[in-house]
Amino acid sequence: EDQVTQSPEALRLQEGESSSLNCSYTVSGLRGLFWYRQDPGKGPEFLFTLYSAGEEKEKERLKATLTKKESFLHITAPKPEDSATYLCAVQAGGGSQGNLIFGKGTKLSVKP
Amino acid sequence: DVKVTQSSRYLVKRTGEKVFLECVQDMDHENMFWYRQDPGLGLRLIYFSYDVKMKEKGDIPEGYSVSREKKERFSLILESASTNQTSMYLCASSLYPLAKNIQYFGAGTRLSVL
Repeated sequence: EDQVTQSPEALRLQEGESSSLNCSYTVSGLRGLFWYRQDPGKGPEFLFTLYSAGEEKEKERLKATLTKKESFLHITAPKPEDSATYLCAVQAGGGSQGNLIFGKGTKLSVKP
Repeated sequence: DVKVTQSSRYLVKRTGEKVFLECVQDMDHENMFWYRQDPGLGLRLIYFSYDVKMKEKGDIPEGYSVSREKKERFSLILESASTNQTSMYLCASSLYPLAKNIQYFGAGTRLSVL
């Protein structure tokens, strides 16, 4: 069964304290891995897509990497405005095309 | 920018009512999706559609139906609302098959069934 697990469930950082969020997956033929940011009471906002092991994407203080079993979202020198829930999702090769399997998210809090 | 608009941010309904949640996208996307999001359970797919008048069940379709009469509009229908359908409902759309299949989400509708 295709599965996505995110860890930790919650992460508290001080402003400027770099860290990483993990997304491990077991799917039959990965077609893509997606990272989203979700603010309270709002819909998820797309951040990155990764398609093959070794690929990396960067945006401001965020950097996403991908291996054959997991993805990391590295946050460098975070600011309070980076506080949000970060969702990971995978698109598998089998089953209905286009459907995403979501993890439960990591809630990030950055204190000033 | 892709825009996915959900007609209501908050809804309060009574048990047994028929409830319509509307979603409109302005980017001519083929695919549209309805999810619900609950604490500790994450996003779960209810229904999706790859074309006008076409629909497929997701992981939790029981108690729901959908309608897609026009490409830009996808409606979620709760035939007889129940308290266990209290949740955040999220609509998404994506372009297929040419693009990278990124799903773009609306702001969500928080539904309370009393």
